[in-house]
Amino acid sequence: GESVGLHLPTLSVQEGDNSIINCAYSNSASDYFIWYKQESGKGPQFIIDIRSNMDKRQGQRVTVLLNKTVKHLSLQIAATQPGDSAVYFCAENMDQFYFGTGTSLTVIP
Amino acid sequence: GAVVSQHPSRVICKSGTSVKIECRSLDFQATTMFWYRQFPKKSLMLMATSNEGSKATYEQGVEKDKFLINHASLTLSTLTVTSAHPEDSSFYICSARQGAANEKLFFGSGTQLSVL
Repeated sequence: GESVGLHLPTLSVQEGDNSIINCAYSNSASDYFIWYKQESGKGPQFIIDIRSNMDKRQGQRVTVLLNKTVKHLSLQIAATQPGDSAVYFCAENMDQFYFGTGTSLTVIP
Repeated sequence: GAVVSQHPSRVICKSGTSVKIECRSLDFQATTMFWYRQFPKKSLMLMATSNEGSKATYEQGVEKDKFLINHASLTLSTLTVTSAHPEDSSFYICSARQGAANEKLFFGSGTQLSVL
């Protein structure tokens, strides 16, 4: 079946540095992608989304890049803060949303 | 953004009892709601999709009689874990979508179920 996967299960960054979280998807027909943040014991929180007719979208301190040629999605977090520590999931829309494994981001003060 | 309320946030029950989890969209009408299950340090696993007024569509391997889903209104879906056993212990999360299939999902805060 289709899969949405992440390259790295864990990522540690120094406070103030930029973070890059990567995601690979396999359904070339997918046209909508979302990044979610999940803190321990809580439900996922929407961060940013992007549709397939775009290759970049910026939010507050976050940027999502979409490379349809290689079916790759990334989330960039600028000036990472301790409050950014969480698990980040990419989700690919295939009528339902299917989630990748997740990357655990730890911000070192 | 839209708010999805999930209740209870935590429940501990004895083996053999049934547990009902509610998911409400507070400020929008949810045409579709989804139920996910999550194990520690794992991703969200889609269990079923429910549309208001119709039967839920279950993912392969999810027992319909074990996990009863009701979507009686555009703002409420319930998941009932029937005759719960320790292996049903998990974090259950609901999500809701307001419109078409390519609209974002809003998530509830999750329910931690512990079956003794």
